[in-house]
Amino acid sequence: KAGVTQTPRYLIKTRGQQVTLSCSPISGHRSVSWYQQTPGQGLQFLFEYFSETQRNKGNFPGRFSGRQFSNSRSEMNVSTLELGDSALYLCASSDGTATGELFFGEGSRLTVL
Amino acid sequence: QKEVEQDPGPLSVPEGAIVSLNCTYSNSAFQYFMWYRQYSRKGPELLMYTYSSGNKEDGRFTAQVDKSSKYISLFIRDSQPSDSATYLCAMAPNQAGTALIFGKGTTLSVSS
Repeated sequence: KAGVTQTPRYLIKTRGQQVTLSCSPISGHRSVSWYQQTPGQGLQFLFEYFSETQRNKGNFPGRFSGRQFSNSRSEMNVSTLELGDSALYLCASSDGTATGELFFGEGSRLTVL
Repeated sequence: QKEVEQDPGPLSVPEGAIVSLNCTYSNSAFQYFMWYRQYSRKGPELLMYTYSSGNKEDGRFTAQVDKSSKYISLFIRDSQPSDSATYLCAMAPNQAGTALIFGKGTTLSVSS
């Protein structure tokens, strides 16, 4: 069974640009969550999509957005990049039930110069 | 005060030692408690998952949850060099698979 796939794995952007990250969940999983991981703040929840609808949202500014497609694949977008957006962005999938476990991808490492 | 506190370490132990990792939390609504292991340049992988209070054992790993003290622990018996990683506690009020609140992680190094 294939795991969670994230692309691209590494990318470098400059301040003010925007970036789109992609995530393919485990087959059959309808929930996709996004997390930001930095050395200072650790892992922080961005948002979760379930069946193409945002179901939960963390405490991040509106520059961070996402969407989910009918095949459960998800994208997240960060606009007007700031230096502080440099981080590992992790996607995770679950079956969306109360006891459904969360499975992470290997992440997309974003560097903002 | 952060919702979840975890000592970042680093923690260095010899092979075969018993390791104890801990987290404290402030939100009494948390019901789902997890431990994740993260190797360098990899995503976190789920190690243990506990609902509400109690103990859970899986091989060399034991997870404990004490809701009255708002304290969770992960014990690793007979630690191996392959256990060297960062261990993250995570918890959530309503579901195990969304909006998890993570500790910052404890870095463990097991020497042979």
